[in-house]
Amino acid sequence: GAVVSQHPSWVICKSGTSVKIECRSLDFQATTMFWYRQFPKQSLMLMATSNEGSKATYEQGVEKDKFLINHASLTLSTLTVTSAHPEDSSFYICSARDWTGAITDTNSPLHFGNGTRLTVT
Amino acid sequence: QQPVQSPQAVILREGEDAVINCSSSKALYSVHWYRQKHGEAPVFLMILLKGGEQKGHDKISASFNEKKQQSSLYLTASQLSYSGTYFCGTQRGFNAGNMLTFGGGTRLMVKP
Repeated sequence: GAVVSQHPSWVICKSGTSVKIECRSLDFQATTMFWYRQFPKQSLMLMATSNEGSKATYEQGVEKDKFLINHASLTLSTLTVTSAHPEDSSFYICSARDWTGAITDTNSPLHFGNGTRLTVT
Repeated sequence: QQPVQSPQAVILREGEDAVINCSSSKALYSVHWYRQKHGEAPVFLMILLKGGEQKGHDKISASFNEKKQQSSLYLTASQLSYSGTYFCGTQRGFNAGNMLTFGGGTRLMVKP
């Protein structure tokens, strides 16, 4: 089955520093990847849609200058949390669909990475 | 628009049944169901595409109503391994770039 690998699994950083999270599709190509954020006991909230070779699409209320997304290849998307603050502490999860170019791709499930727990001290 | 899930939480004894509902104010293209264990990534359960569709695997099944505005997840003869938070993810359009919007989740605890 399709596997999405996310690294690191957890990170603790000091306030004001930047953190990069990687999301890789291991056995399939993903022209689009989705970044979600989840606070404790809450739902998955979409932050942005990462598009290979073009700018990411951010959801309303998500600061694009703070959450930098780069999707340089068909198998790798990165999320960089810049100048992190304690309120950025959360569980960040990436996901992707197995994109073959077929019209039915939209019917395929999202494959999730294992998530990254970010703690900003 | 975020779909509305109910109930928010449910506690069951092993072997009991549960129903989780997911509602949207507008017709949907598809509904996905996921289960998430604490500290882990969500795991895909099933997807429903057609109004009136019902499908299942083992003792977990789901339905999508004719108007494609409500889906229900049915857990029968629950097992301890069913514990976790269940999310429905809805998709409005027919486009692979269309993201899933998740409901608030239903926390299910199955006790021995």
